[in-house]
Amino acid sequence: QVQLQESAPGLVKPSETLSLTCTVSGGSINGYYWNWIRQPPGKGLEWIGYVYFSGSTNYSPSLKSRVTISVDTSMNYFSLRLSSVTAADTAVYYCARGSPYSSSQFDFWGRGTLVTVSS
Amino acid sequence: AIQMTQSPSSLSASVGDRVTITCRASQGIRNDLGWYQQKPGKAPKLLIYAASSLPSGVPSRFSGSGSGTDFTLTISSLQPEDFATYYCLQDYNYPLTFGGGTKVEIK
Repeated sequence: QVQLQESAPGLVKPSETLSLTCTVSGGSINGYYWNWIRQPPGKGLEWIGYVYFSGSTNYSPSLKSRVTISVDTSMNYFSLRLSSVTAADTAVYYCARGSPYSSSQFDFWGRGTLVTVSS
Repeated sequence: AIQMTQSPSSLSASVGDRVTITCRASQGIRNDLGWYQQKPGKAPKLLIYAASSLPSGVPSRFSGSGSGTDFTLTISSLQPEDFATYYCLQDYNYPLTFGGGTKVEIK
């Protein structure tokens, strides 16, 4: 069974860079799209972007100037960096796999990690 | 970006009820739509992809229909474990966009 686990930075200061990793176990990173999605407390879901196992990426235009998603196939993890964070970036961040049925729907998710932006 | 509008935003229902949730896209998206169930404190779970296909393991009381701009998620007989928030997600083009969610509560 594929499992995803986000790292847990917890608290990030305004203007700094949020960094998360998602470790994939029980399956290979190869052949799939790997996504980041976030959810502000009490609100809905927002897609941030994906990295394909080959390293190609696609980001939401609303975050594109601040986001970098990368992959390490040798270590079976992928990462999110979000720069110049503000309180509006406070959210639960999820990593998720693009499903084999439909690559832009997500069949396996991490448990999510709450990132709070505060000084 | 394509806007996804879900309705209703919340509903109250009883165990055994038939429940229908709709999702409307701001432009045609063929059948490139999925549905997710999210329980408090948990990650979303994929229920439907390609508008009407069920991944393995999803109970058959869940069904999806629609194409173009209008889509429906139906729960044929609501079970206690189905009380949750449901989201649609279009994957017709990028950026992927979710609907605002429908909270299904116990009547």
